[in-house]
Amino acid sequence: DGGITQSPKYLFRKEGQNVTLSCEQNLNHDAMYWYRQDPGQGLRLIYYSQIVNDFQKGDIAEGYSVSREKKESFPLTVTSAQKNPTAFYLCASSSRPGTRTDEAFFGQGTRLTVV
Amino acid sequence: AQSVTQPDIHITVSEGASLELRCNYSYGATPYLFWYVQSPGQGLQLLLKYFSGDTLVQGIKGFEAEFKRSQSSFNLRKPSVHWSDAAEYFCAVGATGFQKLVFGTGTRLLVSP
Repeated sequence: DGGITQSPKYLFRKEGQNVTLSCEQNLNHDAMYWYRQDPGQGLRLIYYSQIVNDFQKGDIAEGYSVSREKKESFPLTVTSAQKNPTAFYLCASSSRPGTRTDEAFFGQGTRLTVV
Repeated sequence: AQSVTQPDIHITVSEGASLELRCNYSYGATPYLFWYVQSPGQGLQLLLKYFSGDTLVQGIKGFEAEFKRSQSSFNLRKPSVHWSDAAEYFCAVGATGFQKLVFGTGTRLLVSP
């Protein structure tokens, strides 16, 4: 079945450590996105990528980094510079970025907890 | 800049009763609008979307939404709620491309027996 796979589902990190969240899609979508979700704040865009080897900062990119070496994969690294990393992270992909018929599909999310 | 307001943080509805979730947006041109649903600890699933044309949009799971330009609203409705509809619902508004999509803060739906 086509879809978006995020792993792991739960992740614990010690303060000061970097951690990488995985996102893989087999939908052949060009664009991929990372969102952060906090209670009562909805979704906020961290980074997005419309093509391989290119990505753009979203609204809250500080303390995060990404890469897009393959069309199927868009990993997110939460660095030690991110002051409040505990959150639910969602990955999404879409097939027609920049068009009015664009539609995104979401993964199941990764819950990151800093301990 | 575009924005979305979901004025109700929580709503409780009896099973079998009708439902309306409110969404108001601010955007200068004709927007494109989405409703997503999220079960606890899960990703978001698209319920329906509006780009143009008929202002009453049908979605999955028996949901519908009506775009009212004069009121800048895109309210979600369902005639009869099922216990499995208990979840969080997000309205989103966009311009040209998903990276420009702005999400509301969500409304949590509780369904009572």
